[in-house]
Amino acid sequence: DIQMTQSPSSLSASVGDRVTITCRASHGISNYVAWFQQKPGKAPRSLIYGASTLQSGVPSRFSGSGSGTDFTLNIRSLQPEDFATYYCQQYNSYPLTFGGGTKVEIQ
Amino acid sequence: QVLLVQSGSELKRPGASVKVSCKASGYTFSTYSMNWVRQAPGRRLEWLGWINTDTGHPTYAQAFTGQFVFSLDTSVNTAYLQISSLKTEDTAVYYCTTLWFGERDSFDFWGQGTMVTVSS
Repeated sequence: DIQMTQSPSSLSASVGDRVTITCRASHGISNYVAWFQQKPGKAPRSLIYGASTLQSGVPSRFSGSGSGTDFTLNIRSLQPEDFATYYCQQYNSYPLTFGGGTKVEIQ
Repeated sequence: QVLLVQSGSELKRPGASVKVSCKASGYTFSTYSMNWVRQAPGRRLEWLGWINTDTGHPTYAQAFTGQFVFSLDTSVNTAYLQISSLKTEDTAVYYCTTLWFGERDSFDFWGQGTMVTVSS
């Protein structure tokens, strides 16, 4: 199975900050990575797939990059509605696996 | 619009079984497979497997074989997850999701989740 190691597990930030979350795959997975946002009591919502393709309707302050084993999610200017937990997920091979999550909290 | 609507919360005793439903609407049901994902309290998302909504063939993640069964009723565009021999560690929110990503497009929709609580 491909392990997805996400860091940090949590961070505190202020509105307007730039935030970077990283995800490392245990084996090379090309660009088959998606990033999800999850708010308490809600289902996850995909933000990015193919490592860098923004889902329709997702604000452009979100961006993703990476290939192979190292991936990054950036939030350019954090907004109040961005405080949530973020997960990476690989879909290069079965079983599909998720990172452990990064909780973005208000500083 | 695309909707996946799941059945309501369940409270079960250890050893019992539960069946969660996921009714799809707004798209052709047989076009996209249905995946099942669970999230235990404070834990990461775990992918249980998927069912081919065209053929009905299920594929289970190795960690979830035996106890979990996926099925369909295509006459009502509904997927089911049955969990038998429930243990307290099966307490989780269970999601159905299409979870499909292509090279230039995607079809990623999630149900609202079904909380299954296993407690004596």
